[in-house]
Amino acid sequence: QKEVEQDPGPLSVPEGAIVSLNCTYSNSAFQYFMWYRQYSRKGPELLMYTYSSGNKEDGRFTAQVDKSSKYISLFIRDSQPSDSATYLCAMSAWYGGSQGNLIFGKGTKLSVKP
Amino acid sequence: NAGVTQTPKFRVLKTGQSMTLLCAQDMNHEYMYWYRQDPGMGLRLIHYSVGEGTTAKGEVPDGYNVSRLKKQNFLLGLESAAPSQTSVYFCASASPRDRSLKGNQPQHFGDGTRLSIL
Repeated sequence: QKEVEQDPGPLSVPEGAIVSLNCTYSNSAFQYFMWYRQYSRKGPELLMYTYSSGNKEDGRFTAQVDKSSKYISLFIRDSQPSDSATYLCAMSAWYGGSQGNLIFGKGTKLSVKP
Repeated sequence: NAGVTQTPKFRVLKTGQSMTLLCAQDMNHEYMYWYRQDPGMGLRLIHYSVGEGTTAKGEVPDGYNVSRLKKQNFLLGLESAAPSQTSVYFCASASPRDRSLKGNQPQHFGDGTRLSIL
């Protein structure tokens, strides 16, 4: 079993829809949870970050972490064509006084149709 | 502010050839990383460095070497390229001092080097 599982999609939604993207993980030591957005032929850019459990909201984006279920989600409200990209979840643990390396999901390709 | 710059952007090699990919960052970051991204595999860590003169192996280090002679540069070398190394290579940098609303030690990525090995 991979440490981080993410459905690669593709996922196609109409403009204005609510999008739900998810990842599951197996390593209970993970404490830092991130979502990166990657546009075609570009590098990933950090979109959302959550430490431990809970929710975080930033504009149209909400990140949720459920450590008991080892499940993280990213919700996009009022989706726009400009949200069309690949979304990568990433997570890491805390080891010996420093943050460990990131483990990435495979990414979910999202297309928002006008 | 250029951030993380990767050189070259594209390259085609023949099997057995060697080459070096260059990553430069202008953010004074201590940590630097090399990843490869393949369809269906996601981003996988090749090597990383926590400071000038230090390097360490990641998840998929075989066939690659790295050097961090200057804080701002991180070089990835392929000594004898193989078709299995055809991929998109990304460099990233981070700092242990960088704690913001966007994260703890967030990694900043370059736009990648697309490498094909025939």
